[in-house]
Amino acid sequence: AQSVTQLGSHVSVSEGALVLLRCNYSSSVPPYLFWYVQYPNQGLQLLLKYTTGATLVKGINGFEAEFKKSETSFHLTKPSAHMSDAAEYFCAVSDQGVSGGYNKLIFGAGTRLAVHP
Amino acid sequence: DAGVIQSPRHEVTEMGQEVTLRCKPISGHNSLFWYRQTMMRGLELLIYFNNNVPIDDSGMPEDRFSAKMPNASFSTLKIQPSEPRDSAVYFCASSFRLSGTYNEQFFGPGTRLTVL
Repeated sequence: AQSVTQLGSHVSVSEGALVLLRCNYSSSVPPYLFWYVQYPNQGLQLLLKYTTGATLVKGINGFEAEFKKSETSFHLTKPSAHMSDAAEYFCAVSDQGVSGGYNKLIFGAGTRLAVHP
Repeated sequence: DAGVIQSPRHEVTEMGQEVTLRCKPISGHNSLFWYRQTMMRGLELLIYFNNNVPIDDSGMPEDRFSAKMPNASFSTLKIQPSEPRDSAVYFCASSFRLSGTYNEQFFGPGTRLTVL
């Protein structure tokens, strides 16, 4: 069964500093991997996804993530944090359409990112 | 596009009352998901519909919960009777499922349910 572990429920950075949010996954099949962002009182928005191909994926708002199979990781980074990046971030894994014939998403517990001036 | 629409956005009710949450998926999408988000358990999939048919309801916590999708543009999640431990944010998401490809799920804004 797939699972996701996000290291650190809260991360705090200064504006302009590097953002690094960690995600490790467990999957018995080649995974699809995702990062979602949730702003206060809003639904989840897809930041980026890895399905196949290039292991470094770029998403919206300057975020990117690298799929490292050997480390079973999919860490999210952004070179320079902005105040507007303050939100909760969720890593998710989905098997490749095998489970029940659809892409069932398994979410991590989330990491709340705070950005200080 | 209007996106996924959920109503109400907030619901406060008393224990024992029936609660109905509503969702309108994105037009043209054929898959619909209901999720629950709590501090203790995070985001959990409750039920998945494809072409209006429930495919996976293994996440529905107990018989007090039921979900329907009478047509492609409307779904309900009902809790009867409600209990304080049902307090959570309930999300609806929709996607267009094409076999053999990844199908992005688009999330609604959620319904925050408080059961007193």
